[in-house]
Amino acid sequence: AQSVAQPEDQVNVAEGNPLTVKCTYSVSGNPYLFWYVQYPNRGLQFLLKYITGDNLVKGSYGFEAEFNKSQTSFHLKKPSALVSDSALYFCAVRDAPAPGRRALTFGSGTRLQVQP
Amino acid sequence: ETGVTQSPTHLIKTRGQQVTLRCSSQSGHNTVSWYQQALGQGPQFIFQYYREEENGRGNFPPRFSGLQFPNYSSELNVNALELDDSALYLCASRVGGGPGNTIYFGEGSWLTVV
Repeated sequence: AQSVAQPEDQVNVAEGNPLTVKCTYSVSGNPYLFWYVQYPNRGLQFLLKYITGDNLVKGSYGFEAEFNKSQTSFHLKKPSALVSDSALYFCAVRDAPAPGRRALTFGSGTRLQVQP
Repeated sequence: ETGVTQSPTHLIKTRGQQVTLRCSSQSGHNTVSWYQQALGQGPQFIFQYYREEENGRGNFPPRFSGLQFPNYSSELNVNALELDDSALYLCASRVGGGPGNTIYFGEGSWLTVV
């Protein structure tokens, strides 16, 4: 079964500093990895995804993520954090579409707090 | 703007009642799925529809059911509501096909069961 772990419930960073939100995954086949952001009382917004190819993926709002197959990780990064980046971030994984596994499996989420 | 709209945004139901939540997807998005997000947790997959047929289901009982219509709209129905059904229900859609296709989410419907 596929699974995702986000080991940090909350990440605090000062505005202007780099940020990292961690994610590790477990799948039986090739992983398809996604990051979503959720602002208070809102739905999920797509940030970026890894399908294949370059291990560094660039996404919306200046975010990027690095895929590391040997460490089964897909950490979200941004070189310079903004206060407006404060939100709840979810990592998700999907492997090959087989019956019963045609869905995203989400981590428990990491709350990012960017201090001015 | 994801092109996925859900209604209603908030509703309150009594235990034992039934509820229908609605979703409208982008034209061409022939795959729709529903997720339940309890407070403080990540979304959990309920089921998925492709071309109006259910083709995947998570660990949810049969009282959770759905429909998908040819006009890219869909419904989630929950019978015999329980207090634990209180959650944010998210509709998500994508173009069918490869597992790497981006899944777009609506703003969700907040259900409170009292």
